[in-house]
Amino acid sequence: AQKITQTQPGMFVQEKEAVTLDCTYDTSDPSYGLFWYKQPSSGEMIFLIYQGSYDQQNATEGRYSLNFQKARKSANLVISASQLGDSAMYFCAMRDLNDYKLSFGAGTTVTVRA
Amino acid sequence: SAVISQKPSRDICQRGTSLTIQCQVDSQVTMMFWYRQQPGQSLTLIATANQGSEATYESGFVIDKFPISRPNLTFSTLTVSNMSPEDSSIYLCSVGGDSYEQYFGPGTRLTVT
Repeated sequence: AQKITQTQPGMFVQEKEAVTLDCTYDTSDPSYGLFWYKQPSSGEMIFLIYQGSYDQQNATEGRYSLNFQKARKSANLVISASQLGDSAMYFCAMRDLNDYKLSFGAGTTVTVRA
Repeated sequence: SAVISQKPSRDICQRGTSLTIQCQVDSQVTMMFWYRQQPGQSLTLIATANQGSEATYESGFVIDKFPISRPNLTFSTLTVSNMSPEDSSIYLCSVGGDSYEQYFGPGTRLTVT
């Protein structure tokens, strides 16, 4: 069974600073994918970034980067140059590459301060 | 990326009634998923909807309570039956397939009174 752990229920960050959201996972599958989603107060789930278990390099998408440490089973999200619009809930998720089902962590609420 | 729409976007329903949520995708997709997000909680998978076969339900979810249809490769419905206040949640459909990307619809915010 897959398990995702996000230990930070909430975080505050100053505008224009960087913030790191922690995510650890547990799986016995050799092939898996790791995802980060942003959920604003509207409730939609916005896909941010993906990292495959066999990817050699850390994924980056604009201001988002994923710090993937496979041996430690961690996939932290780094948001650089935070903006007020980054205030939202952030979910880490993992997918077994065979069945496409996502398992989610508990989420981290990020509040960006002006 | 797939564009996914859901109807209704929100609804307020009386206990004991049923609500059918529609999910429409702008391209053919192999697999569609239905998730539930209870207030203040994370997302939980209800079932996987495959075209041409019965939906596969996760532990804790049953077909009588959450019947699902998947008549073609671009559409699915989820019905929440005999609703109680505990069913108040955001219901989201998601699509996945050969691409590594997995997208969600905008969600249906359901309140049961």
